[in-house]
Amino acid sequence: TQLLEQSPQFLSIQEGENLTVYCNSSSVFSSLQWYRQEPGEGPVLLVTVVTGGEVKKLKRLTFQFGDARKDSSLHITAAQPGDTGLYLCAGERAGNNRKLIWGLGTSLAVNP
Amino acid sequence: DTGVSQNPRHKITKRGQNVTFRCDPISEHNRLYWYRQTLGQGPEFLTYFQNEAQLEKSRLLSDRFSAERPKGSFSTLEIQRTEQGDSAMYLCASSFRSRISYNEQFFGPGTRLTVL
Repeated sequence: TQLLEQSPQFLSIQEGENLTVYCNSSSVFSSLQWYRQEPGEGPVLLVTVVTGGEVKKLKRLTFQFGDARKDSSLHITAAQPGDTGLYLCAGERAGNNRKLIWGLGTSLAVNP
Repeated sequence: DTGVSQNPRHKITKRGQNVTFRCDPISEHNRLYWYRQTLGQGPEFLTYFQNEAQLEKSRLLSDRFSAERPKGSFSTLEIQRTEQGDSAMYLCASSFRSRISYNEQFFGPGTRLTVL
């Protein structure tokens, strides 16, 4: 059972378009992280959201945590070829373990 | 500190051989994780350490896999009698776990294993 569902799985768009990636779960998370991974490299942390309803902006990227802390979205405005990569969400569940639960990722290709 | 490092970056081996990978985490981080990743998929959890203690091991991890973190510093992941299905990217990550931290993980570049 995949606890974190990411959609879409694949996305190919033209430079300048906007896009939204979703990360959904039936579980509540104490925090949720977004990572970006380029081919042949490890994931790189973009942002951590911790409060229900929280919105964080990172240049053209806007991250939102759902009010119930079960879902999150990543919106990219005016996508550029440099945004190409695998976007991963990972949720941390409350408790002593605090192991991250990973989504399967959204593979984004931005064509010039 | 330059971040998490992993060696080797690439490993090609024949089926049945043993391989060992090394991970050097960020020095002040007390948690170290091993993941396996196949192309286009998210990381699949294998095991993690807090300091030198191995706290959890995935049920997906067969007896052929073993990991150590002596002295709570670097870690090694060994795969015995490799199989073609072991071909994947093996990622290491470290984090600093405290009561107020959010387990933000910092990844190494990975070791790409190809089993022929």
